[in-house]
Amino acid sequence: QSVLTQPPSVSGAPGQRVTISCTGSSSNIGAGYDVHWYQQLPGTAPKLLIYGNSNRPSGVPDRFSGSKSGTSASLAITGLQAEDEADYYCQSYDSSLSGSKVFGTGTKVTVL
Amino acid sequence: QVQLQESGPGLVKPSGTLSLTCAVSGGSISSSNWWSWIRQPPGKGLEWIGEIYHSGSTNYNPSLKSRVTISVDKSKNQFSLKLSSVTAADTAVYYCARTTVTTSWMDYWGQGTLVTVSS
Repeated sequence: QSVLTQPPSVSGAPGQRVTISCTGSSSNIGAGYDVHWYQQLPGTAPKLLIYGNSNRPSGVPDRFSGSKSGTSASLAITGLQAEDEADYYCQSYDSSLSGSKVFGTGTKVTVL
Repeated sequence: QVQLQESGPGLVKPSGTLSLTCAVSGGSISSSNWWSWIRQPPGKGLEWIGEIYHSGSTNYNPSLKSRVTISVDKSKNQFSLKLSSVTAADTAVYYCARTTVTTSWMDYWGQGTLVTVSS
């Protein structure tokens, strides 16, 4: 099972703001390792959405933002749009797992 | 623009070995990158399997380490995954991806390939 925990689902109406949490521990997020976020649209490969806790790759709308504090991280989507309906995963590094990259459990965002 | 493309058998028998290849185009596999395999069982989340550097250095997910081998073929600009003693629980979409050295995120991904373990 994953060492990074996310809520299974979040939902919001168009235009609203939603946040997704990613909770880890002292061997991953709490140890200072960066958190990254991926968006997976139905039937497609994951796409890098946020890297290094809060940075957006070129082409990612500024409606998406990330933050990190303590043993947790968050992804916020402001001005929710229909095309944001997807699965979202956080990812970090865990020092207790012999140099493993680890993913969060994943969150389904539904636009009402 | 870097592109990754997975290939391999879509059906593997239980107790057999799953073998996949990821072809890298638009860049050299010998550049400063780690090359990963990730899988996603139907309807479930992502699981990192392991990664390789062009020198042959590897890191594996401890939960799969005893069954996984990742190798690199610099002459063909590709890397490969072998997963032994497979069961139905290994049925998944398998992705390959790239991580630039000194970072830990995966910036380029293949489209994924479904591997079903069934007799």
